[in-house]
Amino acid sequence: DQQVKQNSPSLSVQEGRISILNCDYTNSMFDYFLWYKKYPAEGPTFLISISSIKDKNEDGRFTVFLNKSAKHLSLHIVPSQPGDSAVYFCAASLPPTSGTYKYIFGTGTRLKVLA
Amino acid sequence: GAVVSQHPSWVICKSGTSVKIECRSLDFQATTMFWYRQFPKQSLMLMATSNEGSKATYEQGVEKDKFLINHASLTLSTLTVTSAHPEDSSFYICSVRRYNNSPLHFGNGTRLTVT
Repeated sequence: DQQVKQNSPSLSVQEGRISILNCDYTNSMFDYFLWYKKYPAEGPTFLISISSIKDKNEDGRFTVFLNKSAKHLSLHIVPSQPGDSAVYFCAASLPPTSGTYKYIFGTGTRLKVLA
Repeated sequence: GAVVSQHPSWVICKSGTSVKIECRSLDFQATTMFWYRQFPKQSLMLMATSNEGSKATYEQGVEKDKFLINHASLTLSTLTVTSAHPEDSSFYICSVRRYNNSPLHFGNGTRLTVT
């Protein structure tokens, strides 16, 4: 059962335009959400996060929006740059029933920014 | 600078042999480290949570006798793939976080190929 889903496996955007990456989740207990960027053969790099008590967080070109009622979050990158081309993963943190918080990852969206 | 150092970055081994992967937290002491695995074009799947000074917590479906985890110090966790088989070929990535609901910082991963 995939609790965190990214339904678009790939996305192409023109340089300078906005990239919007989407993520849906099923578990209402998730209380912290993150976005990561990953290049091949490397570990993911943290981009931005948002707590479930907020609906927006912004950091430079990156903005994350959270819609709890829809169980949906999105990452906006504007303006998009060729160096943004990578696979993007959303992740959600699940409070522990016992022990440690777990981070569940989505399936990823491959973003290609065209020059 | 890097928060997590993972070694080796790639390894090729013969079926039936064991492989040890090291993960070091460089920036802070980590009582908890996380081991993920990623198959090609798939998501990052949490394998186990490594706990300093105690037994690791394994996710459902992950064989603890096959994937031995040792978290002997606050900065080092090791994952040993015992009696490796070709189906164990994957990308293994460790991660650390400062505290609950803070970003995970990932190592650069280890590409394991079992022939």
